[in-house]
Amino acid sequence: RKEVEQDPGPFNVPEGATVAFNCTYSNSASQSFFWYRQDCRKEPKLLMSVYSSGNEDGRFTAQLNRASQYISLLIRDSKLSDSATYLCVQVAYNTDKLIFGTGTRLQVFP
Amino acid sequence: DTGVSQDPRHKITKRGQNVTFRCDPISEHNRLYWYRQTLGQGPEFLTYFQNEAQLEKSRLLSDRFSAERPKGSFSTLEIQRTEQGDSAMYLCASSSGEYYGYTFGSGTRLTVV
Repeated sequence: RKEVEQDPGPFNVPEGATVAFNCTYSNSASQSFFWYRQDCRKEPKLLMSVYSSGNEDGRFTAQLNRASQYISLLIRDSKLSDSATYLCVQVAYNTDKLIFGTGTRLQVFP
Repeated sequence: DTGVSQDPRHKITKRGQNVTFRCDPISEHNRLYWYRQTLGQGPEFLTYFQNEAQLEKSRLLSDRFSAERPKGSFSTLEIQRTEQGDSAMYLCASSSGEYYGYTFGSGTRLTVV
């Protein structure tokens, strides 16, 4: 079983739609989580951190559910420019390394 | 330039040759990471440094791979006797701590022919 699991998609949604991605992780001791965005043939870029209390940044909301060991990302009012791969990331317990999921591909169409 | 810089951007090499990549992190970041990414997969951890000390190496990293970070500044990743399976994007990232996120460089795309 992979340490971080994501549905690879693709998720094809129209502009203006709300879309949600989930990600599950196996190591319950991990304290830090992130969502990264990766455009085709580019490097991953930090989108937002994920906190138990929830974290909102404009149209994006991230949530951590420790009891069920999953992380979610909600995108409201999707834009064409949101088309990308969204990587769920766990910081390994007791080290600094990042553990990535395979990514969920989002395609927003007009 | 305040970002993470990687050189070269692309490298094509023949199987069996040695290659070396360089990463210049953000200057105030003491942590530096190397990852490898293949098509359709998330980045896989290879190794990381805190200052000049190499603190962890992945089991994915065979004896043909070696990384250094002399003086705790830039880092190099060398692959000896390259194989076709080494073809991938090699990403470097730096950080000042786990709560601050990690900044990635643009990567070095390696093609072994």
